[in-house]
Amino acid sequence: SQQGEEDPQALSIQEGENATMNCSYKTSINNLQWYRQNSGRGLVHLILIRSNEREKHSGRLRVTLDTSKKSSSLLITASRAADTASYFCATDMDTGRRALTFGSGTRLQVQP
Amino acid sequence: DTAVSQTPKYLVTQMGNDKSIKCEQNLGHDTMYWYKQDSKKFLKIMFSYNNKELIINETVPNRFSPKSPDKAHLNLHINSLELGDSAVYFCASSRVQGGYEQYFGPGTRLTVT
Repeated sequence: SQQGEEDPQALSIQEGENATMNCSYKTSINNLQWYRQNSGRGLVHLILIRSNEREKHSGRLRVTLDTSKKSSSLLITASRAADTASYFCATDMDTGRRALTFGSGTRLQVQP
Repeated sequence: DTAVSQTPKYLVTQMGNDKSIKCEQNLGHDTMYWYKQDSKKFLKIMFSYNNKELIINETVPNRFSPKSPDKAHLNLHINSLELGDSAVYFCASSRVQGGYEQYFGPGTRLTVT
């Protein structure tokens, strides 16, 4: 299985609701990142959280990291139709691999 | 200005052909990557170059050959295309090698018939 696995695979909510996506990983990390991919486009970096950080905010985004459980969550508050996209977590493993390992993503649909 | 650009955006070709995808970044980054995204959206790294030097070469058939003429360009040449090569290929770059923020190109959708 993959280093990063997102849960749920798909999520459908109404505009204005909050969306929570989770990511689990297997090995120790230096940092974990979240990316957004709109349909037919490339990935866009959202936020990076280091292994010694527990929570980070950026606008309507809140990311938490629990290294003891090897998991992270991305919360999007007050969602908008424009937030409809796939969201990926990516881990920088503490193995000297010098590359990110991506999960398979959560597809978020925000209904107007 | 486009930070990471790829050409072409779409590529439809027949099995057995040879094709190339070009990538350029104008961010001044040292490191560039090629990823393959399959139909289930899983994104897998193929290659990584740092200052024109190959640093990551995942388990990729040797029909795939990357070339980096300078640190702003990383091209991907694919020989003897197979049906299983159909996917979206993304180029990306980061300031330096390692687990840093990456900037992605728009992708090249390759369809092999």
